[in-house]
Amino acid sequence: SAVISQKPSRDICQRGTSLTIQCQVDSQVTMMFWYRQQPGQSLTLIATANQGSEATYESGFVIDKFPISRPNLTFSTLTVSNMSPEDSSIYLCSVEGGTVYEQYFGPGTRLTVT
Amino acid sequence: RKEVEQDPGPFNVPEGATVAFNCTYSNSASQSFFWYRQDCRKEPKLLMSVYSSGNEDGRFTAQLNRASQYISLLIRDSKLSDSATYLCVVIRRAGNMLTFGGGTRLMVKP
Repeated sequence: SAVISQKPSRDICQRGTSLTIQCQVDSQVTMMFWYRQQPGQSLTLIATANQGSEATYESGFVIDKFPISRPNLTFSTLTVSNMSPEDSSIYLCSVEGGTVYEQYFGPGTRLTVT
Repeated sequence: RKEVEQDPGPFNVPEGATVAFNCTYSNSASQSFFWYRQDCRKEPKLLMSVYSSGNEDGRFTAQLNRASQYISLLIRDSKLSDSATYLCVVIRRAGNMLTFGGGTRLMVKP
């Protein structure tokens, strides 16, 4: 299984600012995924990030709000832009395992926007 | 209607009890099904896949009912360490993206 780390593990930010979350994997992977888990809710896919191409965003998520970088096969960043309290959530990155059906998740970044 | 629905619980059961969760899905084109486990303040981890013929892994049994569009997870001889949120995950044919249910919280008491 892949070992995934995320930075920061948590942050408290003021509204209107932006935060960039980093995701590092210990092996090369083609696809990386970014999810959001709002308090008491399940996971919602934000976007899929493939190296060398633009990220693919799910309905309800846009690049201006959640720009993603994927500079190589072991690293990705997600930026939460112009934050509001509604963006308070846990943000998780994941990578596919043996198949895309099995995904390994990072420990998550707990974001609080005040 | 949500694409994947679960009873949020919590299910409070004593150690040694047998407990079952159901998960319903709305898209009949759904192709693959899984149960993930998420401990408090931790990331989700794959528990088991759900095959058409059903499958068993130790104390855990997963079943799929395509006609009624639901999957189930049965846990026998519950342990304190089984306390967690169990997430039902469905994959549609197109896109192969995971859709998570809201999760069912299980609390096993001594």
